[in-house]
Amino acid sequence: EDQVTQSPEALRLQEGESSSLNCSYTVSGLRGLFWYRQDPGKGPEFLFTLYSAGEEKEKERLKATLTKKESFLHITAPKPEDSATYLCAVQVFGSARQLTFGSGTQLTVLP
Amino acid sequence: SQTIHQWPATLVQPVGSPLSLECTVEGTSNPNLYWYRQAAGRGLQLLFYSVGIGQISSEVPQNLSASRPQDRQFILSSKKLLLSDSGFYLCAWSLARGSTTSSKVYEQYFGPGTRLTVT
Repeated sequence: EDQVTQSPEALRLQEGESSSLNCSYTVSGLRGLFWYRQDPGKGPEFLFTLYSAGEEKEKERLKATLTKKESFLHITAPKPEDSATYLCAVQVFGSARQLTFGSGTQLTVLP
Repeated sequence: SQTIHQWPATLVQPVGSPLSLECTVEGTSNPNLYWYRQAAGRGLQLLFYSVGIGQISSEVPQNLSASRPQDRQFILSSKKLLLSDSGFYLCAWSLARGSTTSSKVYEQYFGPGTRLTVT
């Protein structure tokens, strides 16, 4: 069974304090890994797609990386507006339309 | 650009009442459409997906059903709501990308969601 585990469940940072969120996965064959940002009471907002180990994507203060077992979302010098829940999801070969989601990391950045 | 709408935004319904949630997508044709439910503090659970008009696949047996009467319209329904149907319902769409079937990656884009409370 495909599994996605995100850690930590919650993370509190001071503004400017860089850190990383982890998404580890156990799947039969990874087609793609996705990161989303979700604000309270809203739908997830797409951030990145990663396809293969060694790949990196960047957007503003966020950088996503991928290995054969896990993905990291690095947040550099975060600001309070980066506070949100960050979700990762995987898509596997043979299940082209289905995403398996982790439970998310709730990030709070304090001013 | 593509946009996805859901309504209502919030809904409070008594146990045993019917349900109809609607989702529409603009700016694209023949999208794949999805219904998810998100329980508090948990990840998203896929309920239904559709690859075309009248084509519905159910991922989880439950008290809900879905229909796709038009290309860009997706409806989630129930004849009699249960307390356990409470949650945050999300509609999403995707298009296939890639040059061959084996390389298609389905990035999904989500709507604003409907908060359903069954009392």
